[in-house]
Amino acid sequence: AAGVIQSPRHLIKEKRETATLKCYPIPRHDTVYWYQQGPGQDPQFLISFYEKMQSDKGSIPDRFSAQQFSDYHSELNMSSLELGDSALYFCASSLGQGAEKLFFGSGTQLSVL
Amino acid sequence: LAKTTQPISMDSYEGQEVNITCSHNNIATNDYITWYQQFPSQGPRFIIQGYKTKVTNEVASLFIPADRKSSTLSLPRVSLSDTAVYYCLVGPPGTGGFKTIFGAGTRLFVKA
Repeated sequence: AAGVIQSPRHLIKEKRETATLKCYPIPRHDTVYWYQQGPGQDPQFLISFYEKMQSDKGSIPDRFSAQQFSDYHSELNMSSLELGDSALYFCASSLGQGAEKLFFGSGTQLSVL
Repeated sequence: LAKTTQPISMDSYEGQEVNITCSHNNIATNDYITWYQQFPSQGPRFIIQGYKTKVTNEVASLFIPADRKSSTLSLPRVSLSDTAVYYCLVGPPGTGGFKTIFGAGTRLFVKA
């Protein structure tokens, strides 16, 4: 069965650079979530989209933005990167209606040097 | 969102049954209880979800008492590969995009 696909798997950036993470949800899933997980930390909710509209917002820095496109894939754009942005970034998808089970991708490991 | 409290860590041995209890005293009427498993450097994986009484699937069982203020994830006959972090989440079914908040999970260590 198709799963959530994230790219790239690994990304190395310098401070103050920008990064774009991509997420392709499971086919027919209309909801996408982004999470950030630092080393030894629990996943922190950043933002979510339902039917291409932002549906909820968590602890996402102003330097970050995201959107969901017409094909339901999503991109997380990160600017002015800081050392503290180094983390695993997970994308998850779900069907929007009803009790929701989230399906997670394998994540993008971002390292800011 | 209902706050959840779980043990920080648990140890077990291969072949034992492991029960992880989650407290959620302020659970709302329309909240569901969902458990996820996460291995290092991997995304969380859905294990089981329930609303009341008992739910069982091929991986685990979920026991929810009548007052629903707690729930217990039961893993039968654990193996070394069950070493992971287990998260208990409580929240309502959404209209889409309901933010699923992960609290502090339980780190389970299974020993040989």
